[in-house]
This record gives sequence, C-alpha cells and structure tokens, in this order.
Amino acid sequence: NAGVTQTPKFQVLKTGQSMTLQCAQDMNHEYMSWYRQDPGMGLRLIHYSVGAGITDQGEVPNGYNVSRSTTEDFPLRLLSAAPSQTSVYFCASRYSTHQSHEQYFGPGTRLTVT
Amino acid sequence: KNEVEQSPQNLTAQEGEFITINCSYSVGISALHWLQQHPGGGIVSLFMLSSGKKKHGRLIATINIQEKHSSLHITASHPRDSAVYICAVTQGSGAGSYQLTFGKGTKLSVIP
Repeated sequence: NAGVTQTPKFQVLKTGQSMTLQCAQDMNHEYMSWYRQDPGMGLRLIHYSVGAGITDQGEVPNGYNVSRSTTEDFPLRLLSAAPSQTSVYFCASRYSTHQSHEQYFGPGTRLTVT
Repeated sequence: KNEVEQSPQNLTAQEGEFITINCSYSVGISALHWLQQHPGGGIVSLFMLSSGKKKHGRLIATINIQEKHSSLHITASHPRDSAVYICAVTQGSGAGSYQLTFGKGTKLSVIP
C-alpha cells in the first residue's frame, strides 16, 4: 500500500491565484480530512469527509473547498489564495467514521502565498 | 471544545536519558493519540489508547482517565528520537464525530 499520498510537496502561489492540493489513499478508508499546521499552533481541521459524496466543514474552512467523488481521492481547492493561507497542509485518513481509529497522514504540502 | 495542553513545549536531553512528555485535556474523551513528526517530515501515529498503558520498543504511553492526563515516556533516548511529539484526543459519537483536537506539540532534541 502507498498509504496516503499528497501532491505537490511544495508550492508557491501569488495572491489571488487558485490551485488544488491532491490527496489520495489506497486503504479503502471511509474518513478523510485536511488539516493545516502553523507555527505555534496545533493542527487545525479544514474540511472532512465521511464517505464519497459527503463533506463537511471543520474549524477553519473559509477560503477552501473540497469534494469527494470517490473513496480514494479528496482534493482541497484554494479559490483565491491569500498570504494567510501560507501553511503546511496535511491530508489524513482513517478506517471508520464511527469510532476512534488510528489516523494515517500524508507527507504534507508546504504552501507559500506571496 | 476540548483543550489539549502539552508540557514541556521544548525539551533537550542527553543521549540515554529517560524522557517524559505530558498531555492534559479538559473534557472526557473516547481516545488519546500520540503522534511523532520529524523535522520537515510527515506525521506518524505512535499510539492510540483509551485506558491503561501501551508499549512499543522504547516508547511507553500511559493514560489516567480520571485525571484527564497522559504521558509519553522514552527510555534510553537516542538522537534519532529528536522530533516533535503531538498529543491529540478524539471525542464524540455517531457518524462524522471523533474529530481530532491537537496539542501544540513538544519539540524534543536528544544530544549525543
């Protein structure tokens, strides 16, 4: 298994540009999520999905969109990038939405918005 | 919302020392997770526990549900243990619940 994969690893955007961060998992996990990690703060939940076709907002959803058309893929879209979105983004998945299960994280995408 | 506090924020140890990192939370949980993040690297799950104690190699995690407190111990520390250790908790019930709430992490440096 490849586990959770993310692309790209690094990205630099100009303010106002849009882009999509890709996330895929090959473990047939129901639950997938996106977090951002900023210095001095814990990881914060952006959006999550409990299955194909079902998404919901997390703690910091503004400026981001998601969709889940398949079990495997969960892309994160930045609609109009702002410097405040400079961060490291992690995608994660776990087997079940109904219980506490071990979470598997992708390698992260380091995004800089200038 | 659960508040997750870790201490210390930074820790420097000599190789071979016994290390303890603490985590406390404010509201009852369904499980507590310890995660490891190496510099510039991804995040790896070390333990998930809801009671008692778990051991994996030189790492031991304990939890006291009544006290709302968990500790991560590293015995015979080694420079390769240098990383950020993150405590996270899940709480809730029903589909879509069990979201993780994270602490800010403890940065461990082990000096040879």
